[in-house]
Amino acid sequence: DAKTTQPNSMESNEEEPVHLPCNHSTISGTDYIHWYRQLPSQGPEYVIHGLTSNVNNRMASLAIAEDRKSSTLILHRATLRDAAVYYCILRDRTNAGGTSYGKLTFGQGTILTVHP
Amino acid sequence: GAGVSQTPSNKVTEKGKYVELRCDPISGHTALYWYRQSLGQGPEFLIYFQGTGAADDSGLPNDRFFAVRPEGSVSTLKIQRTERGDSAVYLCASSSGLAGDTDTQYFGPGTRLTVL
Repeated sequence: DAKTTQPNSMESNEEEPVHLPCNHSTISGTDYIHWYRQLPSQGPEYVIHGLTSNVNNRMASLAIAEDRKSSTLILHRATLRDAAVYYCILRDRTNAGGTSYGKLTFGQGTILTVHP
Repeated sequence: GAGVSQTPSNKVTEKGKYVELRCDPISGHTALYWYRQSLGQGPEFLIYFQGTGAADDSGLPNDRFFAVRPEGSVSTLKIQRTERGDSAVYLCASSSGLAGDTDTQYFGPGTRLTVL
């Protein structure tokens, strides 16, 4: 499985932008880059994903390096509710029982603390 | 709409006992995943169902763990002869199973299992 490397923790102030980095130097050409986050005492939730181009949605933006060996999740204005563990995941394309699917392989993630 | 639900939310049992953990996926989702999360770690994949069949059970740690999904909806994770090391949060996720690598997994709140 392709591995990702993230800082253990980051801090931000409310209303400020946050840039969460992820290194994935062994990424293969068909791996998608996914981000999930896990709020305290909850299951993980999807944030965003991309392949080669930068992506935007209502939650965040994903900036992908041209060589795809790194990416950055951008929260444009952090709120207290954004305090969570953020996971950068390369989605395996594993063929199981004839069906292509992508199990999620989580690392340690980045603990984001947001200060009021 | 209703998300993924898991019952019970907490389960305390004694070493050596048998436990069942239940997952109700989002209606219509054909793919269902079980993960286990130990304290301070990211979730770890256990098993994946596509419909009624277990397409990949490579993450199950040993033969004390078993999961079923007899009608392609509700799934039960069964643990025999529980050990203290089985203590963790067990997470269930479901997805539409239609979009291959990119289909989003929706997680339940988890069942916290404590083996005394």
